[in-house]
Amino acid sequence: DTGVSQNPRHKITKRGQNVTFRCDPISEHNRLYWYRQTLGQGPEFLTYFQNEAQLEKSRLLSDRFSAERPKGSFSTLEIQRTEQGDSAMYLCASSPSGRPNTEAFFGQGTRLTVV
Amino acid sequence: GIQVEQSPPDLILQEGANSTLRCNFSDSVNNLQWFHQNPWGQLINLFYIPSGTKQNGRLSATTVATERYSLLYISSSQTTDSGVYFCAVATFTGGGNKLTFGTGTQLKVEL
Repeated sequence: DTGVSQNPRHKITKRGQNVTFRCDPISEHNRLYWYRQTLGQGPEFLTYFQNEAQLEKSRLLSDRFSAERPKGSFSTLEIQRTEQGDSAMYLCASSPSGRPNTEAFFGQGTRLTVV
Repeated sequence: GIQVEQSPPDLILQEGANSTLRCNFSDSVNNLQWFHQNPWGQLINLFYIPSGTKQNGRLSATTVATERYSLLYISSSQTTDSGVYFCAVATFTGGGNKLTFGTGTQLKVEL
């Protein structure tokens, strides 16, 4: 297993366009998380899935954002009608759900620039 | 929600020096991780350490859960240690073990 994989690595889009990012988690991990990181800050939680169920969404996740994990494997994060404030690094992580170890591993991130 | 504070915010070291980074958190945690973020933005796992002490080469970490802090020690620092170090925690009451990150320590190691 090569770890958590995210695509694309970089995305430049015009304001108002829709964008979609993909995350492939570590295969045996049933939890998948999305985070957003802006310049100079630590990552902030957006949403998480346990298998295919989306169990929690942050208030940061406006109605222009939607995430799916249709078969409990890969996940997509879509941003509709992008705004300049959406420019950030979008990070995906996965972890096992059972104790004792719930260590999370992150992908390389997708850096979004909205112009 | 839980608050996570890291100190110092910035640190400049000469190569070969030792350093200690601190992470304070405001509630009981069931997960604490230290990460190194490289210049390309990737978060590299350093330690999964909700309690106790671990060592990995020149790095070691200690979490004192009852006093709500964790320390990351870097010995004999190298230029490749430069970057941002994050502490992140998850709480027993938080959903799904989601992580709350501190604001990080920016480390620069000079020759």
